[in-house]
Amino acid sequence: GAGVSQSPSNKVTEKGKDVELRCDPISGHTALYWYRQRLGQGLEFLIYFQGNSAPDKSGLPSDRFSAERTGESVSTLTIQRTQQEDSAVYLCASSFSGASYGYTFGSGTRLTVV
Amino acid sequence: TQLLEQSPQFLSIQEGENLTVYCNSSSVFSSLQWYRQEPGEGPVLLVTVVTGGEVKKLKRLTFQFGDARKDSSLHITAAQPGDTGLYLCAGAPNTNAGKSTFGDGTTLTVKP
Repeated sequence: GAGVSQSPSNKVTEKGKDVELRCDPISGHTALYWYRQRLGQGLEFLIYFQGNSAPDKSGLPSDRFSAERTGESVSTLTIQRTQQEDSAVYLCASSFSGASYGYTFGSGTRLTVV
Repeated sequence: TQLLEQSPQFLSIQEGENLTVYCNSSSVFSSLQWYRQEPGEGPVLLVTVVTGGEVKKLKRLTFQFGDARKDSSLHITAAQPGDTGLYLCAGAPNTNAGKSTFGDGTTLTVKP
């Protein structure tokens, strides 16, 4: 596609429920990144994919968070047993190969846990 | 761990004024990017600087990469209300693999 697409754009869920966030990167972009942004704050790294493998998962906050990528395309970020502190905007970005020339970001998924 | 410090954190100015935002680190980066983010949107890439000492101009915006590739600045001339937003710098590691390190951002408000 023309840009990075994320869905849903907004998600309200009850505490304790599981959620899945989807990211469709730009076609041909081999690198894919997930970041979290709390209100008024900067970007917190979660996980990075190169192709289908994840060489850096160091930012995942707990074992409730997981992500996968299939076919060097779509990625899904799953949060199990959501907590109120998980409320944030989850941003996905992709790049042609790596970080050197910057990312193209999606518009994000705003997650609210009530 | 590579860290990037941005300053100031908040900036509120009148239309027509000039401003500079700084991005500093003790680490060396292979390149550095500047992004602008508007409410409800993801960050949008403005520029990438690669060479130490490099200066790039984008209309009223001037970006500079430090000689040692550890710091950068963004200067806006004659700011306009449309420049309002969150400005983020990001440093890329010394390998094409890996992820960028982001600063905490500068929130700029330009009042008409």
